Amino acid sequence: DAKTTQPPSMDCAEGRAANLPCNHSTISGNEYVYWYRQIHSQGPQYIIHGLKNNETNEMASLIITEDRKSSTLILPHATLRDTAVYYCIVRVGYTSGTYKYIFGTGTRLKVLA
Amino acid sequence: DTGVSQDPRHKITKRGQNVTFRCDPISEHNRLYWYRQTLGQGPEFLTYFQNEAQLEKSRLLSDRFSAERPKGSFSTLEIQRTEQGDSAMYLCASSSRARGGYTFGSGTRLTVV
Repeated sequence: DAKTTQPPSMDCAEGRAANLPCNHSTISGNEYVYWYRQIHSQGPQYIIHGLKNNETNEMASLIITEDRKSSTLILPHATLRDTAVYYCIVRVGYTSGTYKYIFGTGTRLKVLA
Repeated sequence: DTGVSQDPRHKITKRGQNVTFRCDPISEHNRLYWYRQTLGQGPEFLTYFQNEAQLEKSRLLSDRFSAERPKGSFSTLEIQRTEQGDSAMYLCASSSRARGGYTFGSGTRLTVV
């Protein structure tokens, strides 16, 4: 089962910041939070990941609460091309030399013109 | 970096037929993953290769499914005696290390009629 909970859908006005929340209350101390997005008919695309510090890259910012039980992905200036399903994933433990992702159903973000 | 390539993009087959999909990962990536995604759901882990060794298989991978990565480069996923329940998007991903994000391909959409 997925270890994260996300709202099923959100709308955001074009040009505004999109703030996508995620709850991961059972996260362990060494588990990272990853965010991917999936545009219709394409494979998921990596956005960002973090452990406990806030992270920023050219695509987005990731804010993780101090207790690590929740996080927020921020798209600072949403465009129509950001319309997608956004997945928050807590990477499942290390076995066989790698980690696995357990995806939930994600948040369907619709950016409105 | 040409990304992860999957072939074919779409496959329609009759129930009971065998199908084979191919995945070409990013050339320097030694880790390769197969996921399956049904409509409205997030991707589900199927199997993982490190180089040519198949190190982990999900319980979702029934006896009708087999995956190979013979030379540690491309991989194939074969489904024998297809069933309507096998209809899904089959996604391949690769990575170069245990940490960090995966790069997903665009997937092969299988429809069993």
